Amino acid sequence: GAGVSQTPSNKVTEKGKYVELRCDPISGHTALYWYRQSLGQGPEFLIYFQGTGAADDSGLPNDRFFAVRPEGSVSTLKIQRTERGDSAVYLCASTSSGDYNEQFFGPGTRLTVL
Amino acid sequence: SQQGEEDPQALSIQEGENATMNCSYKTSINNLQWYRQNSGRGLVHLILIRSNEREKHSGRLRVTLDTSKKSSSLLITASRAADTASYFCATDEETSGSRLTFGEGTQLTVNP
Repeated sequence: GAGVSQTPSNKVTEKGKYVELRCDPISGHTALYWYRQSLGQGPEFLIYFQGTGAADDSGLPNDRFFAVRPEGSVSTLKIQRTERGDSAVYLCASTSSGDYNEQFFGPGTRLTVL
Repeated sequence: SQQGEEDPQALSIQEGENATMNCSYKTSINNLQWYRQNSGRGLVHLILIRSNEREKHSGRLRVTLDTSKKSSSLLITASRAADTASYFCATDEETSGSRLTFGEGTQLTVNP
């Protein structure tokens, strides 16, 4: 079956612009996670959805970051007024209940803010 | 902040040799997972070990977990050039819901 997909694979934007990053989880997976990975670092948690609701958004760095999952499947991570420090690879993962939280990751979106 | 800390940060070996990577963490966990990442993109899940398990095998991979020392090791036997990648441990902490906390990774290079 299809894995987690993310679009776009690369996004280049200018400082101050708004961007949206999309994640399509594995069909039937109820939980969806967003992580951010800077060069040379491990991924850092941003937000986690169980169904349509954000169960834990404690990793979002500030109020410029927002994510939605309106129908409990596809999720969009939205970043307003982008800054150069937002440049990173944004990773999405999904998991189904009962799998001991084994998370399956997408290929990521590489965001570059000029 | 990153809970997991891997060591070494970088490891270079010859094909056919074994590679051992270690991970330490700070809090109580539900499980610990190892992932592989090529070229800074998507992570591939390798193996999950639950907190009540001490050792697990999958093909050429062997993972151990010592909850008293809050540490884990990943052994790759008979390494191949294709094993060249970054390896991360990730913990599912008892008190942090289901998010994973990653270490900074070990860069493994297997020379042909």
